[in-house]
Amino acid sequence: DQQVKQNSPSLSVQEGRISILNCDYTNSMFDYFLWYKKYPAEGPTFLISISSIKDKNEDGRFTVFLNKSAKHLSLHIVPSQPGDSAVYFCAASAIGWGKLQFGAGTQVVVTP
Amino acid sequence: KAGVTQTPRYLIKTRGQQVTLSCSPISGHRSVSWYQQTPGQGLQFLFEYFSETQRNKGNFPGRFSGRQFSNSRSEMNVSTLELGDSALYLCASSLAGTSVETQYFGPGTRLLVL
Repeated sequence: DQQVKQNSPSLSVQEGRISILNCDYTNSMFDYFLWYKKYPAEGPTFLISISSIKDKNEDGRFTVFLNKSAKHLSLHIVPSQPGDSAVYFCAASAIGWGKLQFGAGTQVVVTP
Repeated sequence: KAGVTQTPRYLIKTRGQQVTLSCSPISGHRSVSWYQQTPGQGLQFLFEYFSETQRNKGNFPGRFSGRQFSNSRSEMNVSTLELGDSALYLCASSLAGTSVETQYFGPGTRLLVL
């Protein structure tokens, strides 16, 4: 069952603008959320994470927002750069799981 | 600090054969997890090892197995390969494998089964 959902398979954004990626989850036990970036034929690269006790976490151009009541998180990339073109995965974990549950990914294309 | 390394990077096997993949975690990391990525199923959790013990297991058949050594290096084995096992196999490591830790991924092993 899809406990983590990324409903937008793709996103196209102009260089310099904001990219907003969305992720929804169904399991209220999740207490840690992560975003990974992945290029073809490479492993996912960790971008940013957020604990369920927070509602926002920032790291440079990347900000993750968590809305626990809506079971929704989003990743904002500002400003978007051509090197940001990749597949972005949302992932979640719960106490005792020892594993990550991934969404299906969103392909981001940043155009000049 | 060196990242997670996986060998080999690419493999071609035929149906019915078996294969062993290797993963060396980041130095000091004791938890190693394995994932399978396919176009249709996305990233799926296979299993997780900590201190040479399998702690968690995903919904994969018994043909998929693994182990972890005392130096935290891990191997994954797939026996009686099927065409559907063609995938990118990813290994990830973390310090102790708790829910609030970040897992760091290796580059993956691309397996093609003919």
